[in-house]
Amino acid sequence: DSGVTQTPKHLITATGQRVTLRCSPRSGDLSVYWYQQSLDQGLQFLIQYYNGEERAKGNILERFSAQQFPDLHSELNLSSLELGDSALYFCASSLSGSYGDEQFFGPGTRLTVL
Amino acid sequence: ILNVEQSPQSLHVQEGDSTNFTCSFPSSNFYALHWYRWETAKSPEALFVMTLNGDEKKKGRISATLNTKEGYSYLYIKGSQPEDSATYLCAFGEAAGNKLTFGGGTRVLVKP
Repeated sequence: DSGVTQTPKHLITATGQRVTLRCSPRSGDLSVYWYQQSLDQGLQFLIQYYNGEERAKGNILERFSAQQFPDLHSELNLSSLELGDSALYFCASSLSGSYGDEQFFGPGTRLTVL
Repeated sequence: ILNVEQSPQSLHVQEGDSTNFTCSFPSSNFYALHWYRWETAKSPEALFVMTLNGDEKKKGRISATLNTKEGYSYLYIKGSQPEDSATYLCAFGEAAGNKLTFGGGTRVLVKP
């Protein structure tokens, strides 16, 4: 158990809908990262937050947004969902925002868009 | 687009045998190289983070080396056991970059 929690574990929804994925980092970690794992692709970095502020942006679509709250939990919002958004979404956390820190991954949320 | 490649994509190892596989990454602007172990139906688990050329790290029967000048890292598993079966991911952190770029992974299956 990494100490990172993600809810829900599974999510099934329809095209055009909007969903929110939630992540709580390990106690003491200030940075949260979101990743997407599609069927035939490796882990793709979406976005990073550090202590409530956006730190870095990767291949995140405009239909997706995220935020980190004062209690350091983070939410990833996915809107106007398409079939291709079906994927495993991981949240990870690290102590600081440095890429020299190891990242601790949550169990993931599996999103299925029908 | 950064190119982080892992080879082979998969390998079968007999229990008790040792094995190794490679992560190749850009040799310029290096900041850090991560290795993760990812078991089926679980989430990636950090093995090592290496930041210095020539770094060697070890955890039990698993060890890793780093050559930043030529842009590669090796992961070694000594005396493979069935519980070592997993996908091993490397991730490259670029200096002044804003993300980790993951390789496609090496899937290891240890046969009893």
